[in-house]
Amino acid sequence: DTGVSQNPRHKITKRGQNVTFRCDPISEHNRLYWYRQTLGQGPEFLTYFQNEAQLEKSRLLSDRFSAERPKGSFSTLEIQRTEQGDSAMYLCAVGSSGGFITDTQYFGPGTRLTVL
Amino acid sequence: GENVEQHPSTLSVQEGDSAVIKCTYSDSASNYFPWYKQELGKRPQLIIDIRSNVGEKKDQRIAVTLNKTAKHFSLHITETQPEDSAVYFCAASKGYGGSQGNLIFGKGTKLSVKP
Repeated sequence: DTGVSQNPRHKITKRGQNVTFRCDPISEHNRLYWYRQTLGQGPEFLTYFQNEAQLEKSRLLSDRFSAERPKGSFSTLEIQRTEQGDSAMYLCAVGSSGGFITDTQYFGPGTRLTVL
Repeated sequence: GENVEQHPSTLSVQEGDSAVIKCTYSDSASNYFPWYKQELGKRPQLIIDIRSNVGEKKDQRIAVTLNKTAKHFSLHITETQPEDSAVYFCAASKGYGGSQGNLIFGKGTKLSVKP
């Protein structure tokens, strides 16, 4: 089972507030990805975890963003001092290699953030 | 870095017709090419993928072709149905995890199938 749940599904916040999103893979996956999707665009890579280690961060991930995966299972993404430009769908994906060198990635339902 | 171009941005077909969406990629090291279907307000769902060691893959009404020399790949949907209406994204990646394993997406094609 490659299911992923994300909470909350929707978040409305005022500019300057901090928000935190959570991603819960239903089964064990070594690799976990975060993407951001704005209206009319494809998802854009933010960061990636191999177990609990954050191995890569996109230039899109400013200093206001932080992500953790403390036990190699669930992951959190925090945005501090939110800005209106942070409004987007935040998607979590888990990777399953099936023996190949590239992951097949399965997405969660996403958290839609609206910054007023 | 990798860049993925997708065309057309919108596509309207009659039910029963075929639909073709094309993507080109820039990095010859890319070796994995998935296609996702995204309905309004829902998650991207993987519908088919292809790796660089094959040129074509088919799953019922859906097929994907890959031309490594020209660096382009295409999604073919035959006998389209109204429930095929959605936004389709192509993507490319070239490695295992990290910056190589993350997917680079095209901008999407909005497919409308008219009954």
